[in-house]
Amino acid sequence: DQQVKQNSPSLSVQEGRISILNCDYTNSMFDYFLWYKKYPAEGPTFLISISSIKDKNEDGRFTVFLNKSAKHLSLHIVPSQPGDSAVYFCAASADNNDMRFGAGTRLTVKP
Amino acid sequence: GAGVSQSPRYKVAKRGQDVALRCDPISGHVSLFWYQQALGQGPEFLTYFQNEAQLDKSGLPSDRFFAERPEGSVSTLKIQRTQQEDSAVYLCASSLAIPNYGYTFGSGTRLTVV
Repeated sequence: DQQVKQNSPSLSVQEGRISILNCDYTNSMFDYFLWYKKYPAEGPTFLISISSIKDKNEDGRFTVFLNKSAKHLSLHIVPSQPGDSAVYFCAASADNNDMRFGAGTRLTVKP
Repeated sequence: GAGVSQSPRYKVAKRGQDVALRCDPISGHVSLFWYQQALGQGPEFLTYFQNEAQLDKSGLPSDRFFAERPEGSVSTLKIQRTQQEDSAVYLCASSLAIPNYGYTFGSGTRLTVV
């Protein structure tokens, strides 16, 4: 039962352009959403999060948008940089309990 | 320590062998989580501790999997009679009591069962 889905396994963008990574979820009890970034041979690192009471959270080049009615969230990176190339995981939790992760999207930013 | 430390980084086990994976969380982090990440997949929840109490073990795939955190700090994930489908990266994460700050993950243990 995959409660968090990232339907795009990979994404390639040009340096300086916007990267948009998408995530859908099915569990309406989720109230906190996070994005993690993962480099090879390392554990995921926390990037940005959003509470279900908000629809947008911005941190520098990273913005997360939440559409609760559509059970959809997205991560925007602008401008994209080659160092952003990594696997990005969407995660969701309910009542501050364990997180459920999507399968990840591999982002490649080309110079 | 400064981060979550997991050992060993790599483990090759023969099918049927028992393995033990260790996690040293960040000092003071109350919550500790184990995840299993198969190749090409996202991390899958295994179990969760708050201090020494195992509050959720619903993700453990079988009774061959056992986790403990006896003193509320270091945790061990034990897999008995390993099978090939157990091959994966096992990630440990810790957080303050309120995980809104985001979990801190270790680098994981890559288990290969041959």
